Amino acid sequence: QKEVEQNSGPLSVPEGAIASLNCTYSDRVSQSFFWYRQYSGKSPELIMSIYSNGDKEDGRFTAQLNKASQYVSLLIRDSQPSDSATYLCAVKLRQTGANNLFFGTGTRLTVIP
Amino acid sequence: SQTIHQWPATLVQPVGSPLSLECTVEGTSNPNLYWYRQAAGRGLQLLFYSVGIGQISSEVPQNLSASRPQDRQFILSSKKLLLSDSGFYLCAWSLTGDTQYFGPGTRLTVL
Repeated sequence: QKEVEQNSGPLSVPEGAIASLNCTYSDRVSQSFFWYRQYSGKSPELIMSIYSNGDKEDGRFTAQLNKASQYVSLLIRDSQPSDSATYLCAVKLRQTGANNLFFGTGTRLTVIP
Repeated sequence: SQTIHQWPATLVQPVGSPLSLECTVEGTSNPNLYWYRQAAGRGLQLLFYSVGIGQISSEVPQNLSASRPQDRQFILSSKKLLLSDSGFYLCAWSLTGDTQYFGPGTRLTVL
């Protein structure tokens, strides 16, 4: 089992719809969770971090964390064509030290005008 | 505010040639530094990380090496490039050990 798993997609949604991206992780005691957006040919940029169970909202983005079920999701409301990108989930696993942030392989989202 | 630079932005090199990619961070001290590679259509592969000057940890044995000659400088090198070294090389920094911020990347094509 991989440490962090995402559906690779592609996920297609019409403009204005809600896009839902999901991520599961293997380590039950993970504490920090991140979503990055990567446009084609560009580097990943941090869009959300979440540390506690529940929802965290930032503009059109909502991160949802359920530690009991070991999943974290990202909702994008009122999806726009500019949201078309690959979304990477990252989880800080239990290992100590600098090398403990694990990335999923990403979900490619396409927003259709 | 912190900024991270990488150069060159793109590079085309023949097989067997040497490589040197540079990453510098501004606006922070003693960051953790990371080198990742992303092959076309693939996920991020951690290559090296460093918690301080001269301290390098390798994650994947291969023909690449890394050095950290200064606190905010991280260099990725190779003596002889392979075709399989092609990819998008990303440098990242972190202060807390969790949130990582990426540089703009270097796209390397080995022919």
